[in-house]
Amino acid sequence: QKEVEQDPGPLSVPEGAIVSLNCTYSNSAFQYFMWYRQYSRKGPELLMYTYSSGNKEDGRFTAQVDKSSKYISLFIRDSQPSDSATYLCAMSFGGDKIIFGKGTRLHILP
Amino acid sequence: DAMVIQNPRYQVTQFGKPVTLSCSQTLNHNVMYWYQQKSSQAPKLLFHYYDKDFNNEADTPDNFQSRRPNTSFCFLDIRSPGLGDAAMYLCATSRPLAGGPVAETQYFGPGTRLLVL
Repeated sequence: QKEVEQDPGPLSVPEGAIVSLNCTYSNSAFQYFMWYRQYSRKGPELLMYTYSSGNKEDGRFTAQVDKSSKYISLFIRDSQPSDSATYLCAMSFGGDKIIFGKGTRLHILP
Repeated sequence: DAMVIQNPRYQVTQFGKPVTLSCSQTLNHNVMYWYQQKSSQAPKLLFHYYDKDFNNEADTPDNFQSRRPNTSFCFLDIRSPGLGDAAMYLCATSRPLAGGPVAETQYFGPGTRLLVL
């Protein structure tokens, strides 16, 4: 079993829809959870950062962490064509390294 | 704006010809990383520096070397590039959390896309 599992997609949704992106993980020792957005041929950009369980909201983006289920989610409300990108989940024990998922390709259809 | 800068953005080299990629940061972060990312794959950590302390990943080929002459700069040297080394190379930085020698999240540069002919 891989440490972090993420459906690669692609996921296509119409503009304005709510998008749900998810990752599962196997190691219960992870404490820090992140979502990165990566546009084609660019470096990953940090979107959301959460410590331990709970929800965090930033504008149209909401990150959820359920440590009991080893499951994290990113929700995008009122999705826009500019949200089309690859979304990478990542997590850390709190040390120098983070473990990435493979990323989900998201297409928002105008 | 504070940022992570990578040069060049695109690099073409010949099979076996040494190449150096550079990264600089204005964030004054202690930790700098080099990742390799191939199409539709997660970034793969090659090595990282905590200050001047070098940490190599066990599966990083000897063909890949790194230098960090000061806090702001870090270089990736590929001694004899093979066709399989064509990829996006990402530099990232992070800083320790207050009160402990652990890293928070990582901030990435735009990447250098390497093509090997």
